[in-house]
Amino acid sequence: EVQLVESGGGLVQPGGSLRLSCTASGFNFYYYWVAWVRQAPGKGLEWVASIDPHGNDTYYVDSVEGRFTLSRDYAERSLYLQMNNLRGEDTAIYYCVRDTFGVFDFWGQGTLVTVSS
Amino acid sequence: EIVLTQSPGTLSVSPGERATLSCRASQNVGNNYLAWYQQKPGQSPRLLVYGATTRATGIPDRFSGSGSGADFTLTISGLGPEDFAMYYCQQYTTLPRTFGQGTKVEI
Repeated sequence: EVQLVESGGGLVQPGGSLRLSCTASGFNFYYYWVAWVRQAPGKGLEWVASIDPHGNDTYYVDSVEGRFTLSRDYAERSLYLQMNNLRGEDTAIYYCVRDTFGVFDFWGQGTLVTVSS
Repeated sequence: EIVLTQSPGTLSVSPGERATLSCRASQNVGNNYLAWYQQKPGQSPRLLVYGATTRATGIPDRFSGSGSGADFTLTISGLGPEDFAMYYCQQYTTLPRTFGQGTKVEI
């Protein structure tokens, strides 16, 4: 059974930093893209970033480019999202997803990030 | 960036009826790389359809995707109580991956 378990969310002040983690199980972590998709309170879905199976290529939505960094650790079977210079509009539930050629076929339960003073 | 516009915003239907949801793209979605997701309150989204027409594993056949180019449709036949939810379309032919704003299917 594919499972994606996020952690690391919380309350942070504007301009602050936070690192989200996602631990994957139930599939070969070496073979798949993984990604983050977020959902602001009461709003729709927004793709944030994706990373290729080898960890060499990363892609970001423009609004987070230069502030967020995506990485993966194969030994830990984990995905990380380092978020710096956070803004109010980054407040959202962040979902870790398995990204199969752009199709988000499995989703974690999400972790809430709140940016507020 | 491909902008996806879903209509209607809210669809009121009765159990057992058919629901037809539309997703229009601002430009052609190459290879019909269009997916549909269902999200119930307090839950994570779930993949329903990809490639515009292919149901994901375990999705009942009352969910049917159709369309091509820039116009796509999700049809839910014989709505059950568990089908009342938000539905999102998403394109994956180009970056950034983009979603429609969603259609709420309510009783």
